[in-house]
Amino acid sequence: SYVLTQAPSVSVAPGQTARITCGGNNIESKNVHWYQQKPGQAPVLVVYDDSDRPSGIPERFSGSNAGNTATLTISRVEAGDEADYYCQVWDISSEHYVFGTGTKVTVL
Amino acid sequence: EVQLLQSGGGLVQPGGSLRLSCAASGFTFSSFAMSWVRQAPGKGLEWVSPISGSGDSTHYADSVKGRFTISRDNSKNILYLQMNSLRAEDTAVYYCAKDRSPEVGAAAGAFDYWGQGTLVTVSS
Repeated sequence: SYVLTQAPSVSVAPGQTARITCGGNNIESKNVHWYQQKPGQAPVLVVYDDSDRPSGIPERFSGSNAGNTATLTISRVEAGDEADYYCQVWDISSEHYVFGTGTKVTVL
Repeated sequence: EVQLLQSGGGLVQPGGSLRLSCAASGFTFSSFAMSWVRQAPGKGLEWVSPISGSGDSTHYADSVKGRFTISRDNSKNILYLQMNSLRAEDTAVYYCAKDRSPEVGAAAGAFDYWGQGTLVTVSS
């Protein structure tokens, strides 16, 4: 089955840029979606179809997808961005949606 | 305003059954695929099952295939998850989620609204 690999944690100072990667075989051929989840809350969609933002999501959140790595970039990080972030794709061979392992972003 | 209101969780013994419901409002329910996603305590997100807007396309994670059944009543705007032969490893918070697309598959899967989550505990 298709596996999406994320680093367990990323630490970033306020005002700096956080980059969260999602590795998968030829992931550039898939549409990647990203979710933010804060403790005790339901996930929130922050980027869909690699790089599109839902309404209400700040422009500080952006996405890219090339080769075997998709990336969620958070610019000008704020304390409120501290959360777990998950990537997600559709695996056509298994006909399954797949979530990444998740990355905990800590704002120093 | 889009709302997804979940009900039906609780404590159940191993081998037992439970049905989760997700009542939708604020959008044309039949025009969008829906999914169930779960999260075991302290763990990451796990996709469980999606269903197309029309209800004619469904898929299941290997871990629940043959035990869980997803369905929807487009006349009542309700999504269901029937869970049978429950195991301890099914213990999790279960979320229903609305897709941006009416279909299931490669061009879909972006879940733009989520329910509040309901805890299912499988234990004797």
